Amino acid sequence: NAGVTQTPKFQVLKTGQSMTLQCAQDMNHNSMYWYRQDPGMGLRLIYYSASEGTTDKGEVPNGYNVSRLNKREFSLRLESAAPSQTSVYFCASSDEDRVFSFEQYFGPGTRLTVT
Amino acid sequence: RKEVEQDPGPFNVPEGATVAFNCTYSNSASQSFFWYRQDCRKEPKLLMSVYSSGNEDGRFTAQLNRASQYISLLIRDSKLSDSATYLCVVNMRTGGFKTIFGAGTRLFVKA
Repeated sequence: NAGVTQTPKFQVLKTGQSMTLQCAQDMNHNSMYWYRQDPGMGLRLIYYSASEGTTDKGEVPNGYNVSRLNKREFSLRLESAAPSQTSVYFCASSDEDRVFSFEQYFGPGTRLTVT
Repeated sequence: RKEVEQDPGPFNVPEGATVAFNCTYSNSASQSFFWYRQDCRKEPKLLMSVYSSGNEDGRFTAQLNRASQYISLLIRDSKLSDSATYLCVVNMRTGGFKTIFGAGTRLFVKA
């Protein structure tokens, strides 16, 4: 049981390049999330997916797209990377069958630098 | 004003000390509350949920005050291994799902 896995762990991009961050969970969770974490700020929600086939914008969606490929996988794409997207990206999942039980399980993160 | 605010610290305490963190939230539609722990360069992990009646898990006690819109975390008998950043998390449903993380409070426990 690996929990939530993310690839890659580290990435350096040049401005304007594109890339996809991959996330998978093996806990059969319905909901999945993408966050970014910047120094001095809390994690900010980029996009989330409440169930397979649905995605919704979070607090900071601009510059990103997501795909909920199946129940296990949720990918985040940067179409044209900008230095402002330099951050640590975390994927998370949760099982929202229980109301008010929103424990989220996080992956190890992807450290992205855009030069 | 940020929706969830925490004192960033750092809190520097000796082993065995008792330390308390507060977290204030601004949206009264907030429904569920959590404390997460994040070690340096690692992912956040759930420490405990916070209930209106308060809850305790070993040396950790969490409280919720809905009237004043804050939650608290008390750590008794601090250990070196408690050194980490503690994140306050507030979930709310206001037309859609919304989860807000505080920026975190850093704790250093020293021998």
